Amino acid sequence: GIQVEQSPPDLILQEGANSTLRCNFSDSVNNLQWFHQNPWGQLINLFYIPSGTKQNGRLSATTVATERYSLLYISSSQTTDSGVYFCAPGGGSNYQLIWGAGTKLIIKP
Amino acid sequence: EAGVTQSPTHLIKTRGQQATLRCSPISGHTSVYWYQQALGLGLQFLLWYDEGEERNRGNFPPRFSGRQFPNYSSELNVNALELEDSALYLCASSQLAGAGEQYFGPGTRLTVT
Repeated sequence: GIQVEQSPPDLILQEGANSTLRCNFSDSVNNLQWFHQNPWGQLINLFYIPSGTKQNGRLSATTVATERYSLLYISSSQTTDSGVYFCAPGGGSNYQLIWGAGTKLIIKP
Repeated sequence: EAGVTQSPTHLIKTRGQQATLRCSPISGHTSVYWYQQALGLGLQFLLWYDEGEERNRGNFPPRFSGRQFPNYSSELNVNALELEDSALYLCASSQLAGAGEQYFGPGTRLTVT
């Protein structure tokens, strides 16, 4: 099955800083989502991005499917960006998303 | 448009008991997925239902089961609860059968004592 590796595992930044989170996956995918999990456990959809580039405000994401990686960019970080960011690709006949271990982001005021 | 809803929010059970968790998908979504997230860990896929049928299950014992009703809502049953079943159980739905973007509910936090 698909293996997913996210880096870095932990990231501590000052408010206003920019960051890049990386997701490597081991096989071809037909689905890839980025999520933000808040301290209460709610998973918030950030991007559905099996390929290409998308932007939403201060966040953007790029997936290069042929090279099997995806990047999430966060610019001008705010304390509310703190939480765990998950990359979840999916592919094959099983369809279910395969989850990375996440990147824990802490934004200090 | 209402999102995915789950009930109850919290559930406390004793080892050996049974737990029932419920999920209502977004209107128009036919696929429902269940995931388990143990404390501090990533999500593990449990079950996928579409059009009332179980389509796929993850690497969990048979005491984890569920069903999907004609209105596409779903319930997850966990029999013979064990301490290690304590976790956040998340339900997601998608409009396309097994594909497309998945949207998550707020979860049910199950504690087994």
